[in-house]
Amino acid sequence: DVKVTQSSRYLVKRTGEKVFLECVQDMDHENMFWYRQDPGLGLRLIYFSYDVKMKEKGDIPEGYSVSREKKERFSLILESASTNQTSMYLCASTGTAQETQYFGPGTRLLVL
Amino acid sequence: SQQGEEDPQALSIQEGENATMNCSYKTSINNLQWYRQNSGRGLVHLILIRSNEREKHSGRLRVTLDTSKKSSSLLITASRAADTASYFCATPRYNNNDMRFGAGTRLTVKP
Repeated sequence: DVKVTQSSRYLVKRTGEKVFLECVQDMDHENMFWYRQDPGLGLRLIYFSYDVKMKEKGDIPEGYSVSREKKERFSLILESASTNQTSMYLCASTGTAQETQYFGPGTRLLVL
Repeated sequence: SQQGEEDPQALSIQEGENATMNCSYKTSINNLQWYRQNSGRGLVHLILIRSNEREKHSGRLRVTLDTSKKSSSLLITASRAADTASYFCATPRYNNNDMRFGAGTRLTVKP
């Protein structure tokens, strides 16, 4: 079974802090994604990566950056957390673009 | 505009009844996917239907795809309380490597 893990289930941070969210997949997938999910808005794509060291902006990249130094790991970075970044963050991976995505359990981030 | 919009936004039924959710999309697709999300968890893939397929079954799930109407439906038969979750459709973003997810249908199955 594909396994996608995220570093934290719940996280509380202060405004202005640098926040790292890590995602690891164990299926040698090329493509990895970071979404945020807010009530009534569904899933919105922040960034995705189709290969090591490659990244593409999604719909809402502002205030975020990403890092993919190894194939299995995709990190989301909030350079200076703000209260409007309070959300559920979901990581996903897929071997073939536009095919089945495998999701991690999510990280619920609260920025105070 | 959002690709993949589910309808209704919320659905409440009794255990044993069937639940039908619909998804509409705007551009041409090569596949459409349905996912389930239990409260506070990640999404779980349910079924993928390709553009040359009209219907697909998986256990108590039945998915149809009408490319002429740009719509799909997910039918859950003989629902159970454990089916309570949010259901999302997802379609490939045109000319890109990612998927677009709708806002989901929140299904509540009462015991």
